[in-house]
Amino acid sequence: TQLLEQSPQFLSIQEGENLTVYCNSSSVFSSLQWYRQEPGEGPVLLVTVVTGGEVKKLKRLTFQFGDARKDSSLHITAAQPGDTGLYLCAGGEGFKTIFGAGTRLFVKA
Amino acid sequence: NAGVTQTPKFQVLKTGQSMTLQCAQDMNHNSMYWYRQDPGMGLRLIYYSASEGTTDKGEVPNGYNVSRLNKREFSLRLESAAPSQTSVYFCASSVRAETQYFGPGTRLLVL
Repeated sequence: TQLLEQSPQFLSIQEGENLTVYCNSSSVFSSLQWYRQEPGEGPVLLVTVVTGGEVKKLKRLTFQFGDARKDSSLHITAAQPGDTGLYLCAGGEGFKTIFGAGTRLFVKA
Repeated sequence: NAGVTQTPKFQVLKTGQSMTLQCAQDMNHNSMYWYRQDPGMGLRLIYYSASEGTTDKGEVPNGYNVSRLNKREFSLRLESAAPSQTSVYFCASSVRAETQYFGPGTRLLVL
């Protein structure tokens, strides 16, 4: 059974700080996705990483896929209050996508 | 272009009552999904429909049934609601499983 573990579960930081959140598994994934979910809304896809070692940047967000395709990280530079939300990683085989429990980020102004 | 829409937004049921959650997408996607989200557990796949006319079980299908009415619509039915089905339910659609578009969710409370 594939599992995705995310850490930390909760993170509260000041505006302007940098942070990294992690998504780990003992299973190999063909790709991993990162979603952000705001209160009362559905998740929104941020990025998909496919190749082991791949790094993708989305403005102040940097996503990395581990060389062995078992883990991924999300680094946010100079966090802003607008980054507040629940960050979910996801992956799977075919249509059976599994999600991690998420990292809840709160950025204080 | 509304994306993925879900009705109702909120619902309170008594144990044993039945209800159907509706989902529709206007993006011409072939695949649709139903998830439930519980505190501390992320999203769990209940059922999915890879294409019109097909449905398959996900991780937590017990107590639920689905119908892919046409390419646009995918409904989730609770025949006899239980308190353990209290959750937030999300519908999603996609062309590829790696890129799913989610609706705003239905918040269900079963007393």
